[in-house]
Amino acid sequence: NAGVMQNPRHLVRRRGQEARLRCSPMKGHSHVYWYRQLPEEGLKFMVYLQKENIIDESGMPKERFSAEFPKEGPSILRIQQVVRGDSAAYFCASSPPGIGRRDQPQHFGDGTRLSIL
Amino acid sequence: EDQVTQSPEALRLQEGESSSLNCSYTVSGLRGLFWYRQDPGKGPEFLFTLYSAGEEKEKERLKATLTKKESFLHITAPKPEDSATYLCAIDRGSTLGRLYFGRGTQLTVWP
Repeated sequence: NAGVMQNPRHLVRRRGQEARLRCSPMKGHSHVYWYRQLPEEGLKFMVYLQKENIIDESGMPKERFSAEFPKEGPSILRIQQVVRGDSAAYFCASSPPGIGRRDQPQHFGDGTRLSIL
Repeated sequence: EDQVTQSPEALRLQEGESSSLNCSYTVSGLRGLFWYRQDPGKGPEFLFTLYSAGEEKEKERLKATLTKKESFLHITAPKPEDSATYLCAIDRGSTLGRLYFGRGTQLTVWP
């Protein structure tokens, strides 16, 4: 999983603070996806982005959560005014352009473990 | 509702004892089915993609197969290093790029 880089690996925040999670996709990949994994649950899709565009944000809560993938730099998942229920592992995945092709699985980073005190 | 169901939730095997993991799905218009392996504290590691019923893929001791309603991940003569959680995910044609994951099967192989 070294190709997709996520930081920080662990993040501790107090209720009401902001959390910023970063994801650098694999080289040559221009599609980024964010997923959330709660204890004892499967990975849940949050948002799909391409450079400077949000393609699908239907899995992301409308309040407090936002995501971006700027022309330069990593993708950012931002959670404002965090609450205890936001505690989870957040994973980023990337894939190369040309999503209609069949040989392009999503490759995942090792995640950010977010803990809310 | 769950569109991807994996069974069993947990499986303990003795080294060398072959078995299969199941992934059943309920959507139509499947664009692809994916198997991943996840180790504790790590992200999912891609194993296989299957696209159509009857397709099979192999990698070392693992073989994945696909029918119209389910996929199997066969593990032949497993070793302790095969211990991990195995995740199944589907790509529906109607939701571009988004993967729907099952909850996984936690496999433990003991010597």
